[in-house]
Amino acid sequence: GQNIDQPTEMTATEGAIVQINCTYQTSGFNGLFWYQQHAGEAPTFLSYNVLDGLEEKGRFSSFLSRSKGYSYLLLKELQMKDSASYLCAVSAPYNTDKLIFGTGTRLQVFP
Amino acid sequence: EAQVTQNPRYLITVTGKKLTVTCSQNMNHEYMSWYRQDPGLGLRQIYYSMNVEVTDKGDVPEGYKVSRKEKRNFPLILESPSPNQTSLYFCASSSGMDRRTYEQYFGPGTRLTVT
Repeated sequence: GQNIDQPTEMTATEGAIVQINCTYQTSGFNGLFWYQQHAGEAPTFLSYNVLDGLEEKGRFSSFLSRSKGYSYLLLKELQMKDSASYLCAVSAPYNTDKLIFGTGTRLQVFP
Repeated sequence: EAQVTQNPRYLITVTGKKLTVTCSQNMNHEYMSWYRQDPGLGLRQIYYSMNVEVTDKGDVPEGYKVSRKEKRNFPLILESPSPNQTSLYFCASSSGMDRRTYEQYFGPGTRLTVT
């Protein structure tokens, strides 16, 4: 089976750095995704990792360690608009198009 | 503009009254999927389709039907809706086997309430 764990809620201050962790247990692995979802809106793609290491994209970076079943999303120079839920998802081993989502981490950024 | 559209965006209906939620994408994507999102449970896949006339069950298919007669459209059908199908529904698509990034594009969501 597959299991994905991430914290339910986090808070941070504008301009700060926050790290959102995700751990997963799957019978196989075909890649890990991070999506951002503002309340009541559609998830939007942030990053994809299939190999170990850090992928940087502007203020956002995503890290993967396959041996540890661990990923994190790093958000730098936080802005108020970064207040959203961040969803960790893995590709199902038997169907790479199928995403298995964690329950998401709700991030609140305060001034 | 590349997008996934869903209609309606909001729907309130009564138990047992058949309804269809439409989904359409203009990116020529092969793979399409329906998810429902409930508080504390995250996004769960209902049905998916890897190409025209090819559909399969996801994790929570009970009470739902789908069809894929054309590549761009993937409607979700609730033959006899029940209150436990009250949820936020998302359609998503991706380019399938020839993709490089596996990114899925989500529609804007349909908020369904069954009374």
